[in-house]
Amino acid sequence: GAGVSQSPSNKVTEKGKDVELRCDPISGHTALYWYRQSLGQGLEFLIYFQGNSAPDKSGLPSDRFSAERTGGSVSTLTIQRTQQEDSAVYLCASSAGPGRDPKGANVLTFGAGSRLTVL
Amino acid sequence: AQSVAQPEDQVNVAEGNPLTVKCTYSVSGNPYLFWYVQYPNRGLQFLLKYITGDNLVKGSYGFEAEFNKSQTSFHLKKPSALVSDSALYFCAVRVDNYGQNFVFGPGTRLSVLP
Repeated sequence: GAGVSQSPSNKVTEKGKDVELRCDPISGHTALYWYRQSLGQGLEFLIYFQGNSAPDKSGLPSDRFSAERTGGSVSTLTIQRTQQEDSAVYLCASSAGPGRDPKGANVLTFGAGSRLTVL
Repeated sequence: AQSVAQPEDQVNVAEGNPLTVKCTYSVSGNPYLFWYVQYPNRGLQFLLKYITGDNLVKGSYGFEAEFNKSQTSFHLKKPSALVSDSALYFCAVRVDNYGQNFVFGPGTRLSVLP
């Protein structure tokens, strides 16, 4: 697609429920990132996918968080047994991946985010 | 380890005046430096980047940034601020072209007053 698409744009859930957030990256982008942004705060890295390589999960805050990327395209971030502290905006970004940028560094294109509110 | 500091949480400037949003970094190698802007209820948008070459980088919407290696800084500037520039600005750094190594600063909220 023309941009990075995220759904849902807003999600309100009850504590203890599971949620799934979806990211559809720019077509052809091999790198995909998930970040979390708490109200008015900076970006917290969650997970990174690059092509068929094993994802970098070093930023996932607990084992309640998981993500997958099917067919090297769409990604789903799943949060199990949600807690109130999970409330945040979850941002997805994609880029062309290593070696594709002639200047040697890749620019991230972000989606508009999914705002999660856990009651 | 890489780190990025944005020493000001908030910057206020009058419309038409020059603006500066500060960023300093710490890396163990040659940095690639970026500025992103976030408008209300929107995702981050790329403004500009420094990779190599001229220390003064020009980007979108009339913004520019100057890479200063000795001061490890990459301050964002604009000669004449607009009210529409009011947003949250993030500085980011990465060291090499592989893996997840974008590190974002905490953000600076810019308010341009009419």
